[in-house]
Amino acid sequence: DAKTTQPNSMESNEEEPVHLPCNHSTISGTDYIHWYRQLPSQGPEYVIHGLTSNVNNRMASLAIAEDRKSSTLILHRATLRDAAVYYCILSFQNNNDMRFGAGTRLTVKP
Amino acid sequence: DAMVIQNPRYQVTQFGKPVTLSCSQTLNHNVMYWYQQKSSQAPKLLFHYYDKDFNNEADTPDNFQSRRPNTSFCFLDIRSPGLGDAAMYLCATTGDGSNQPQHFGDGTRLSIL
Repeated sequence: DAKTTQPNSMESNEEEPVHLPCNHSTISGTDYIHWYRQLPSQGPEYVIHGLTSNVNNRMASLAIAEDRKSSTLILHRATLRDAAVYYCILSFQNNNDMRFGAGTRLTVKP
Repeated sequence: DAMVIQNPRYQVTQFGKPVTLSCSQTLNHNVMYWYQQKSSQAPKLLFHYYDKDFNNEADTPDNFQSRRPNTSFCFLDIRSPGLGDAAMYLCATTGDGSNQPQHFGDGTRLSIL
């Protein structure tokens, strides 16, 4: 199974953009890249996902490298409520397994 | 409106006493998952159902069982809880296909006395 690698922690200042990286060098051509985040005492929350093209939604943007071996979750203006653990996960075609890596703990400073 | 509901939010049981955690969904999704999450760790997949087809992770202890009587409900049974089973248990659902997002409940925090 393809694995993901993320930094353990990152810090950002409030109202500044945040770029959260994820490496997935063994990704296969049909794996989707998903991002979730988990706030304290809550279940994980879906953020965004994509296959090859960059994606935007109301929460974030997902930039996918051309070779798909890495991706970056972009929060355009971090708020204190964005402080969470962010997980990058690969989902496999025709397979419903969704396995979490260690994630990145994002701290947002006022 | 909550779409994946886990009950109870907090559960206390005694060492070795069987316990059942429940999960229900209003999304009519055909895939349901159970994860275990210990403090400061990522969620760990225990097993999942695709409709009635049960898929167990290779390293899930035999002490953990699951039942899915219908599309809406899924149960996690811990036959003989040990102290190491104290954790948050998360239920999630998804529609069919690897491009479908997961929807999580808020979890049940299990304590073992």
